[in-house]
Amino acid sequence: EPEVTQTPSHQVTQMGQEVILRCVPISNHLYFYWYRQILGQKVEFLVSFYNNEISEKSEIFDDQFSVERPDGSNFTLKIRSTKLEDSAMYFCAGGKGQGTYEQYFGPGTRLTVT
Amino acid sequence: DQQVKQNSPSLSVQEGRISILNCDYTNSMFDYFLWYKKYPAEGPTFLISISSIKDKNEDGRFTVFLNKSAKHLSLHIVPSQPGDSAVYFCAASANNQGGKLIFGQGTELSVKP
Repeated sequence: EPEVTQTPSHQVTQMGQEVILRCVPISNHLYFYWYRQILGQKVEFLVSFYNNEISEKSEIFDDQFSVERPDGSNFTLKIRSTKLEDSAMYFCAGGKGQGTYEQYFGPGTRLTVT
Repeated sequence: DQQVKQNSPSLSVQEGRISILNCDYTNSMFDYFLWYKKYPAEGPTFLISISSIKDKNEDGRFTVFLNKSAKHLSLHIVPSQPGDSAVYFCAASANNQGGKLIFGQGTELSVKP
């Protein structure tokens, strides 16, 4: 059964540094998402991406964040200048759309900003 | 922003008995609801969903009930097994495919042998 994959599994970075989190969604999915979960809190929506553009973003997704689907298979989240409060688990997800709402999540990347 | 609420942070059940996990929502625009199971250090795994035009959906040991007038849904697991021990999240989506999911805080289920 196809799965969403994410790399790296754990990223440690210093405050102010740029990070890129990578995801390979399931090949027949059309909608792509990033969510995050700060330790002890709920899973929060960051951004959705469809047809090579952002379709919706949350208040969290400010100018420091960007997403790309550079080659039709990878889906990346870039944080330009990380802050301590960006430390969280970041989950990539995908869905087929076409009348279905289910989203399938990757295993996550744990981002630690020091 | 508490549009989706799971008021019980934890639930402990004996193996073989029924587990009932509850979820309340406030946004009338939500028209699709999903349950996810999550183990530590893993991503949420989709379990079961229900459209707002239904009041029940069943898949094996898992049944989701939706009460639209009360803005309440529940997940029943019968019979509960130790492998069901995990955090369960309810999530909701508002009338557009491809839309974001709004998650509850999660309920940690522990099934004791």
